Parts: sequence; structure tokens; C-alpha cells
Amino acid sequence: AQSVTQLGSHVSVSEGALVLLRCNYSSSVPPYLFWYVQYPNQGLQLLLKYTSAATLVKGINGFEAEFKKSETSFHLTKPSAHMSDAAEYFCAVLTGGGNKLTFGTGTQLKVEL
Amino acid sequence: DAMVIQNPRYQVTQFGKPVTLSCSQTLNHNVMYWYQQKSSQAPKLLFHYYDKDFNNEADTPDNFQSRRPNTSFCFLDIRSPGLGDAAMYLCATSRDGQGGYNEQFFGPGTRLTVL
Repeated sequence: AQSVTQLGSHVSVSEGALVLLRCNYSSSVPPYLFWYVQYPNQGLQLLLKYTSAATLVKGINGFEAEFKKSETSFHLTKPSAHMSDAAEYFCAVLTGGGNKLTFGTGTQLKVEL
Repeated sequence: DAMVIQNPRYQVTQFGKPVTLSCSQTLNHNVMYWYQQKSSQAPKLLFHYYDKDFNNEADTPDNFQSRRPNTSFCFLDIRSPGLGDAAMYLCATSRDGQGGYNEQFFGPGTRLTVL
């Protein structure tokens, strides 16, 4: 079964510092991977997606992620954190023949002055 | 703008009193999903509709039902809410549920409180 694991339920960075949120996947077939962001009391917004077209994927708000098959990873990065980036981030993999998203447990990002 | 709309945003109900949550979409997507998200947890899929075909997750309690009267609307019915059903309920849509990749578009959610 396909799944994702997010390491670190809470990550804290200083404003302007690099953001790195980790996601590892488990899949016997090429996975379709997603990163979503969720602000308090809101739905999920898609940041970016990997669909095998390119290993380095650029998303919204300056985020990007690199698909590394050798490491089974799809980590999310942003060069310089902004206070507005404080939110919960979910990595997800598409399963069930393409009609089911399985989410990781989420990483709460805190940005400090 | 095309979007996914959920009403109400906040719903309070009493223990055991049936409640219905609403979702509508202007994206004309084939697939509509309902997720339950409890505090500090990942969203958990309850069920989804591919057109009119209903697909229930194996571990979704019978207390949860859904209706999709047309392409645009989908409802989540909780027949007898318990305290453990207090959660954020997220509706999502995608264009096609068969194969390939299917980006899901989420609504803002309905936060359900059970008293």
C-alpha cells in the first residue's frame, strides 16, 4: 500500500531562514505526490504536485519540492521563511487507482521573529 | 471564480440530533469527497462519489451517510452525532477519479461541535 511519512510534527524556524519539511513515501509504483497547506480553520490549499514530469517541482508562495527516487523522498523547501508561512503542511500520495489521497500526519510550521 | 463551497462554516448540534452538512462546487468535477479531520490530525477520507457511484471507505461508521442529488451538490448526513464526531469536515472535488493524477480541490470546511 502506498503511504507517506512526515518526520517532525512541529518545525520552528526564524523569519528569513530556510524551511525544510520532510516527507518520505512508500510505493511500489511511481507515486503521485502532493503538498498541501492548511491555515487555522480553513481547508487545504495545494502548494505543489509531482506527477513524474520533472523531479524539481515549483509551487506557490515560493515553495518547491524535489522528488528523489533513490531516497524515496519528496521534501518541501523554501529559501526564506515568512511569518505568513506559519501553518500546517500535509504531504499526500494518490492511491486507490487515482481516486484517494492518503495524507501524512502533518507538520506544524512555526515562524519566529 | 470556480470553487468549492461549504455551508455552514460552523455548525453546532446536540448529542444524537441529526445534522446535515452541505457542499457545492462550480468546477463541474465528476468526483466529490468527504473527509473528517479531527484536531491536530490528518484528514481521513469517509467516502466519495464518482458521478453517482458511491464509494464508502471500509472503516466509515454507519452513522455517516451521503447524498449527491446532482453534479454540483453533495451532502454529509450524520444520523446520531456523538461527542467523538466533533471535527472539521472537508469537502473536496476532482475532475476524474480513474487513473492518472487527480488534483483535489478543497472547500473551507465545516467545523462541527457536538454538545
